[in-house]
Amino acid sequence: EVQLVESGGGLVHPGGSLRLSCAASGFTFGSYWMSWVRQAPGKGLEWVATIKEDGSEKYYVDSVKGRFTISRDNAKNSLYLQMNSLRVEDTAVYYCVRGGSYIIYWGQGTLVTVSS
Amino acid sequence: EIVLTQSPGTLSLSPGERATLSCRASQSVSSSFLAWYQQKPGQAPRLLIYGASSRATGIPDRFSGSGSGTDFTLTISRLEPEDFAVYYCQQYGSSPRTFGQGTKVEIK
Repeated sequence: EVQLVESGGGLVHPGGSLRLSCAASGFTFGSYWMSWVRQAPGKGLEWVATIKEDGSEKYYVDSVKGRFTISRDNAKNSLYLQMNSLRVEDTAVYYCVRGGSYIIYWGQGTLVTVSS
Repeated sequence: EIVLTQSPGTLSLSPGERATLSCRASQSVSSSFLAWYQQKPGQAPRLLIYGASSRATGIPDRFSGSGSGTDFTLTISRLEPEDFAVYYCQQYGSSPRTFGQGTKVEIK
């Protein structure tokens, strides 16, 4: 059974940093693109970042470029999102998802709240 | 960036009725790389349709997708009580991947 379990969310002040983690199981992690998708409270979905199987290619939505970094450790079956210079508008549930195209598997999400 | 515009914003229908949801792209979606998702409160989205018209595993055949280029449609032939939810389209033909703003299907 495919499982994606996010952690690392919480409350942070504007300008602060947070690192999200995603523990993957039930599939060969190193064989799949992985991504982060977020959803602000009561709002729609936004694709945040994507990373290739070996980490050699990374893509970001414009609003997080230069502030967020996606990475992975295939030996640990883990995906990460380092978020710096956080803004109030980054407040959202962050989902770890398998794939870089359409998404079959989603984690349960971790809430990031940016507030003073 | 491809902008996806969904209409209507809210669809008020009764169980058993047909639902037709629209997703219009600001530019052509290559190879019909368009997906539809269903999301219920407090849950992650669920994939319904990919490739504009292919049903995902386990999705009932009352859900169907159609369209190409810039105009896509999700049709629910006969609404069941569990179908009342928010629906999103998403394109994966170009980067960045983008989602529509969603259509809420509510009970009339």
